[in-house]
Amino acid sequence: QSLLTQPSSVSGAPGQRVTISCTGSSSNIGAGYDVHWYQHLPGTAPKLLIFGNTNRPSGVPDRFSGSKSGTSASLAVSGLQAEDEADYYCQSYDNSLSGSVFGGGTKLTVL
Amino acid sequence: EVQLVESGGDLVQPGGSLRLSCAASGFTVSSDYVSWVRQAPGKGLEWVSVIYSGGSTYYADSVKGRFTISRDNSKNTVYLQLNSLRAEDTAVYYCAGSGPYCGGACFDYWGQGTLVTVSS
Repeated sequence: QSLLTQPSSVSGAPGQRVTISCTGSSSNIGAGYDVHWYQHLPGTAPKLLIFGNTNRPSGVPDRFSGSKSGTSASLAVSGLQAEDEADYYCQSYDNSLSGSVFGGGTKLTVL
Repeated sequence: EVQLVESGGDLVQPGGSLRLSCAASGFTVSSDYVSWVRQAPGKGLEWVSVIYSGGSTYYADSVKGRFTISRDNSKNTVYLQLNSLRAEDTAVYYCAGSGPYCGGACFDYWGQGTLVTVSS
């Protein structure tokens, strides 16, 4: 059981907007630690999608956006495209572990 | 261009040992943070261990006392020694580095992973 909770799956039609939530606690997100998001396609290396809650690395489309409030964070994907179908993970730091923690992952299906 | 290349994954019996390597190029392992992250079959990503630039190391509770992270600055390589392996350690092990975007808080760079299978 991960310390960060994500829905196991979300889906949407092409062009629609979906959000993926990431709920933590007072030892991680609620303690003020940043949340980061990764996109992971099977058989490939995970890719940094959002860092520092809201920031996109160069090359990541602005269809992807992140937010954080209290003990939770969210990833929004607008204008869904078939290529967005992947697993998405949130990640933060947990002071009870003195290390990083990942969410359980969310499978995004484009209908 | 940054590259992280893992090696050392193999089939090993329960109770056995392995050493994984993460060779870096375009990235200096002694100047930033390097972690190992694993993904068991059908499961999500799990943080395993980190070595900071100053040499401090930390481990997930699930591997504490069994795994050891280290680095060789002259080879620009990070290692993960896996001892007393269990079936539940079966996973793809990724090396992940923190770069200019992450500043130690997340992982800009990832290797392609190396598969560790623990089975008799």
